[in-house]
Amino acid sequence: AQSVTQLGSHVSVSEGALVLLRCNYSSSVPPYLFWYVQYPNQGLQLLLKYTSAATLVKGINGFEAEFKKSETSFHLTKPSAHMSDAAEYFCAVSALNSGNTPLVFGKGTRLSVIA
Amino acid sequence: DAGVIQSPRHEVTEMGQEVTLRCKPISGHNSLFWYRQTMMRGLELLIYFNNNVPIDDSGMPEDRFSAKMPNASFSTLKIQPSEPRDSAVYFCASRHSGGAYEQYFGPGTRLTVT
Repeated sequence: AQSVTQLGSHVSVSEGALVLLRCNYSSSVPPYLFWYVQYPNQGLQLLLKYTSAATLVKGINGFEAEFKKSETSFHLTKPSAHMSDAAEYFCAVSALNSGNTPLVFGKGTRLSVIA
Repeated sequence: DAGVIQSPRHEVTEMGQEVTLRCKPISGHNSLFWYRQTMMRGLELLIYFNNNVPIDDSGMPEDRFSAKMPNASFSTLKIQPSEPRDSAVYFCASRHSGGAYEQYFGPGTRLTVT
């Protein structure tokens, strides 16, 4: 079975500062990992995904995440926060060859950006 | 290409009334998921279908909730009778089995039961 833990339900950063949102996963088989973003009053939107190719994955809006098997982590980063990055971010995991089972989502981290 | 389409976007109803939420998945996707999102409970998976067949409905909170997928391009989530605690945002998501398992979400239906 797979699981995801997002450390910190709320993260606050200043505009222009580094964004770091933490995600640790548990999976008995090689995982696929995802980050989704949810802006207010919208659905979840895929930000980036890791599918066992390059360990450093680049997504939309300047975000990237690095898969670290030794640490079972898939943290999301962005060098410089923008006001428009304020949203809720969800980490999710699926397993290779898991068929059509749903993604397992973390509880989400709300990112606030302070001017 | 159109994304996942949900209707209505907003629904306000009185306790005891029947509510039907609708979802059109992305064309060619063969898995469909219904989620509920609230401040208290976060994002919850209610039920999912593969090739129009319900696979796991263990997340459906009560018998008042039912979901159907009569064909590959349409699904409904029905609540009968509705209660104030059903107030939430309901999301539909779809996925193609040949993809890297990412799910595509609709914009959601915000349900308010008074």
